[in-house]
Amino acid sequence: RKEVEQDPGPFNVPEGATVAFNCTYSNSASQSFFWYRQDCRKEPKLLMSVYSSGNEDGRFTAQLNRASQYISLLIRDSKLSDSATYLCVVIDRGSTLGRLYFGRGTQLTVWP
Amino acid sequence: GAGVSQSPSNKVTEKGKDVELRCDPISGHTALYWYRQSLGQGLEFLIYFQGNSAPDKSGLPSDRFSAERTGGSVSTLTIQRTQQEDSAVYLCASRGTDRSSYNEQFFGPGTRLTVL
Repeated sequence: RKEVEQDPGPFNVPEGATVAFNCTYSNSASQSFFWYRQDCRKEPKLLMSVYSSGNEDGRFTAQLNRASQYISLLIRDSKLSDSATYLCVVIDRGSTLGRLYFGRGTQLTVWP
Repeated sequence: GAGVSQSPSNKVTEKGKDVELRCDPISGHTALYWYRQSLGQGLEFLIYFQGNSAPDKSGLPSDRFSAERTGGSVSTLTIQRTQQEDSAVYLCASRGTDRSSYNEQFFGPGTRLTVL
């Protein structure tokens, strides 16, 4: 079983819509959680870390449920520029320091 | 400041040839990672360097793959006797020790390898 599983998408939404992505991880010892964004044929870039208490950065809200081993990302008021692939990422406690485990990504297209 | 750079950006090679991919991490970053992104497979970890040593090589898919890092900076990933299944984008990332960005890895633009 893959360490990190994501909704494969694609998600196609109009501008202004709210969209949510889900992710589950298999290792209960996972320690740190992130969402990365990857534009077409570009490198991944950190979008935001995910904290147990939930956290918000502008239009983006991330949630973590350790009991269910579940991570989510909510995007409100979608913009055309939000079109990208969103990667759910975890780091395991006790593993190589900083080694990232990636989900396969969820593709989002925002249309005008 | 300068980000992570990789060269070449694209590499087309014939099956059976050896290739070398280069990564220049952000200056001062001691941790360096190589990942591979294949079509439909997502990113997979290959190897991790802390300084010049590689405490985790567990992601290297076969003994045709090797990597080294010298001077705690530049790293090269070598693939010997390339096979078509090696075709992928090879991404390098580096991480600093600044506590405020302790876990953030900064990725280079990648090398797109095509094995014919």
